[in-house]
Amino acid sequence: ETGVTQTPRHLVMGMTNKKSLKCEQHLGHNAMYWYKQSAKKPLELMFVYSLEERVENNSVPSRFSPECPNSSHLFLHLHTLQPEDSALYLCASSHRTGAGETQYFGPGTRLLVL
Amino acid sequence: GQQVMQIPQYQHVQEGEDFTTYCNSSTTLSNIQWYKQRPGGHPVFLIQLVKSGEVKKQKRLTFQFGEAKKNSSLHITATQTTDVGTYFCAGQGAQKLVFGQGTRLTINP
Repeated sequence: ETGVTQTPRHLVMGMTNKKSLKCEQHLGHNAMYWYKQSAKKPLELMFVYSLEERVENNSVPSRFSPECPNSSHLFLHLHTLQPEDSALYLCASSHRTGAGETQYFGPGTRLLVL
Repeated sequence: GQQVMQIPQYQHVQEGEDFTTYCNSSTTLSNIQWYKQRPGGHPVFLIQLVKSGEVKKQKRLTFQFGEAKKNSSLHITATQTTDVGTYFCAGQGAQKLVFGQGTRLTINP
C-alpha cells in the first residue's frame, strides 16, 4: 500500500448534488495534490497544496472546491457537476524539497455524474 | 511553461517482443521519474533518474536519462503479460513535477 487512502472509491451523483471526496496520507508528507484522469487527458493536475496552502490551481472550474485542513488531509468538494466531470480523481502526496519530489498516489475515486 | 511529451500514446505488442516509450521535456530537468499504472489501478512510482546520461535497470526494464537532461526512455525487454498498463514519465522542473501523457501498453499473449 502507498500510505495514501481515498474515500469513497466509487461515487455516482446527479448534477444537483453536493458531495465531497476525501484523501488522507500517512507518510508524513508536506504536499498534497488532486488529479483528474479521463480518457481525453490521462493525468491532469487540478490543485496543489504545500504546507496546507494552495500553491497551484490549474484553471479548475469553481464547481470543484478543495480544502486542506492539515498536512494529512485533503478534500475535494463537488457541487453542480456536469456529466463531462465523470472521471477518476486521484489524490497524491509528496515530500517537497528543493531537490524535487516523488509522488505517492491513492487508489482514486471513480466518479460518475448523471 | 514546462511541457513533457511522451510517445507513443499506445503500443500493442506480442508477448516476448520488446517495448520502448520516449519522453521529451521542453526544459532541462533536475530529475525524471517513471510511474506505472496497471489497468484499474493508480500510478505507482518505479524509478528516478538524476544524472546526465544515467542508465538504470530493474530486471527487464532499462531506464535512460539523456545527456542534456531533457529526454528519457523506458525499454522493456521480452514483454510479459504482467507488463500491461500505462507508463508515465514525470519531469521535475524548477518548480514542479510535470507528467507526460503516458504510453498505454497492451500485450497479445
